[in-house]
Amino acid sequence: AQSVTQLDSQVPVFEEAPVELRCNYSSSVSVYLFWYVQYPNQGLQLLLKYLSGSTLVESINGFEAEFNKSQTSFHLRKPSVHISDTAEYFCAVSPLRTGGYNKLIFGAGTRLAVHP
Amino acid sequence: DVKVTQSSRYLVKRTGEKVFLECVQDMDHENMFWYRQDPGLGLRLIYFSYDVKMKEKGDIPEGYSVSREKKERFSLILESASTNQTSMYLCASSSGTTLNTGELFFGEGSRLTVL
Repeated sequence: AQSVTQLDSQVPVFEEAPVELRCNYSSSVSVYLFWYVQYPNQGLQLLLKYLSGSTLVESINGFEAEFNKSQTSFHLRKPSVHISDTAEYFCAVSPLRTGGYNKLIFGAGTRLAVHP
Repeated sequence: DVKVTQSSRYLVKRTGEKVFLECVQDMDHENMFWYRQDPGLGLRLIYFSYDVKMKEKGDIPEGYSVSREKKERFSLILESASTNQTSMYLCASSSGTTLNTGELFFGEGSRLTVL
C-alpha cells in the first residue's frame, strides 16, 4: 500500500522569504509524484509533476520540487514567496501500473500563509 | 483548457434528504472522479468512472452512489444525507493517457452542509 505524509499542516512565512513544504511517501513500487495547489474557494490545480527523467521539476510560477528516491521525498520549494502564493498545497503519489487505473493518493495538505 | 464544472458551490440540506451533486466536463475525458475533502484528512476517493455507465468504488463509498449516463456528466448521490457527510466535494476528470499517470483536473468544489 502507498501513503503520503506532509510533515507540516501549516507554514507561516513572510513575503519574499524562502519556503519548503515537505512531503514523504511510502510505496513498495515506483511512483509518479505530484504537487497540487488549492487557492481559497477554488478546486485543486496541478502545480508540478515528476513522471521520469530529471529529478528536479519546476512550475511556471517559481516553485520547484526534487524527487529523492533514497529518502522517498518530494519536497516543494520556492526561493521567494509572494502574498499570492497563500494557498493549501497537496502532495500526491500514483503507483506505476502497466494497465488500468493509477490511483492518486493524497497527503493531508499544508496550508501556506504568506504575510506582508 | 479543461473545464470541470460543479453546478452547486454551496448547499445546505437536512438530515435524511436526498442530495444530488452534479459535475460536467467539457474535454471529452473518459474518466471522472468524486472526492471528499476534510481538514487534516486530505482528499479521499468516493467513486470513479472510467466509461459511461461504468463505476468503481473508491476508498469511502458507503452512503454514496453515482450515476454516469453521459460521458460528460458524473453525478454523486447521497440517498439519505447525514451530518457526517458535511464536507467539501470535489469532482475531477482525466483523459485515457493521464489516467495512467494519475494527473487529474478538478472542479471548484461543492461545499455541503447537512443539518
